[in-house]
Amino acid sequence: KAGVTQTPRYLIKTRGQQVTLSCSPISGHRSVSWYQQTPGQGLQFLFEYFSETQRNKGNFPGRFSGRQFSNSRSEMNVSTLELGDSALYLCASSLPTDTQYFGPGTRLTVL
Amino acid sequence: QQPVQSPQAVILREGEDAVINCSSSKALYSVHWYRQKHGEAPVFLMILLKGGEQKGHEKISASFNEKKQQSSLYLTASQLSYSGTYFCGTAQNTGNQFYFGTGTSLTVIP
Repeated sequence: KAGVTQTPRYLIKTRGQQVTLSCSPISGHRSVSWYQQTPGQGLQFLFEYFSETQRNKGNFPGRFSGRQFSNSRSEMNVSTLELGDSALYLCASSLPTDTQYFGPGTRLTVL
Repeated sequence: QQPVQSPQAVILREGEDAVINCSSSKALYSVHWYRQKHGEAPVFLMILLKGGEQKGHEKISASFNEKKQQSSLYLTASQLSYSGTYFCGTAQNTGNQFYFGTGTSLTVIP
């Protein structure tokens, strides 16, 4: 089975811009979660989608949003980028056992 | 609700053993262990479900004490390839929000 894929792998944006990240889960996985990873904060949960519905949400401002399509692919959008949004954004898909299978991540740099 | 891991960092010589602990203030349904190498995504190691079971994979094993909401990861006869940051992940129920621990940096030296 193909693993979780994320595109793009690297992004450079400037403050105030917006960005959309994409994630394709492992075939058959209906749950997709997004995490922000920074050296100081570790893995921070953003949100989780299951069958096109947001099932869980972390403590991030409304600038961070997401959606899931009928084929389970998910997108994450960040509007009005800030310097502090620079991070590795990881997507993970899972089966009902909740085990998270991670994609390679998107490295976002905000200048 | 983020689980707390200890120690934060550990340095081992090849062949030595290590224990990494993960504690939660909430009742847990499952505990998952991951290892992340520098510049890579976290990789799933094993899952422990409510019931106090212990699991193992070669020289890496884990236990889950649901009464104490604690899990421990045991690495025996460590190898250089064990180096990385270890995270525990917890869920209070299936389908609930998943929380990752603070991470434990493990370095194995020759």
